[in-house]
Amino acid sequence: GDSVTQMEGPVTLSEEAFLTINCTYTATGYPSLFWYVQYPGEGLQLLLKATKADDKGSNKGFEATYRKETTSFHLEKGSVQVSDSAVYFCALSKQQAAGNKLTFGGGTRVLVKP
Amino acid sequence: EAGVAQSPRYKIIEKRQSVAFWCNPISGHATLYWYQQILGQGPKLLIQFQNNGVVDDSQLPKDRFSAERLKGVDSTLKIQPAKLEDSAVYLCASSLIAGGTDTQYFGPGTRLTVL
Repeated sequence: GDSVTQMEGPVTLSEEAFLTINCTYTATGYPSLFWYVQYPGEGLQLLLKATKADDKGSNKGFEATYRKETTSFHLEKGSVQVSDSAVYFCALSKQQAAGNKLTFGGGTRVLVKP
Repeated sequence: EAGVAQSPRYKIIEKRQSVAFWCNPISGHATLYWYQQILGQGPKLLIQFQNNGVVDDSQLPKDRFSAERLKGVDSTLKIQPAKLEDSAVYLCASSLIAGGTDTQYFGPGTRLTVL
């Protein structure tokens, strides 16, 4: 079945550091790819998405490019802030008769220190 | 625009008791999902509704879990009887339709602790 693998955390960074969270997927067909973020005490929020190969999703300074050749969707941010401390989830979804569920990775906790 | 509403936010019960969670999706969203998120893991789909019909319940433990969306709007998820391993956050999400590119919007979740 479909699956998503992302790097384990926690990832601890200093403010203004560069952040990369690796995400790879296994899926048949043509999935859409998503990054969701969960801030402390809050629900999951969509951060960005890409729906086809070579698409780049971006939001709030975060970027990720859909790489079909490497089945990857790595998340990057050039200069993190303390407010970026959260758990980040990579996920995929496909259009199919049996629904379009999101298949999530295990999440990566990011802690940004001042 | 109001987001996905869930209640209660927290629930503590003894094993073998029953519990119910409620979800109200974003207005106009035809598709509703229930996910289970065990501590330290990503969410896993339990059931998906399209309007008031079930699209996918393949991962729902049907011997103890049930869900309904009678009028195609709000939904209830029930566990009866609860087991210790049901301790998790139960997330409700909704989307406008059910396409693979659609964004799913999540509620704040209900944190269930089974003692």
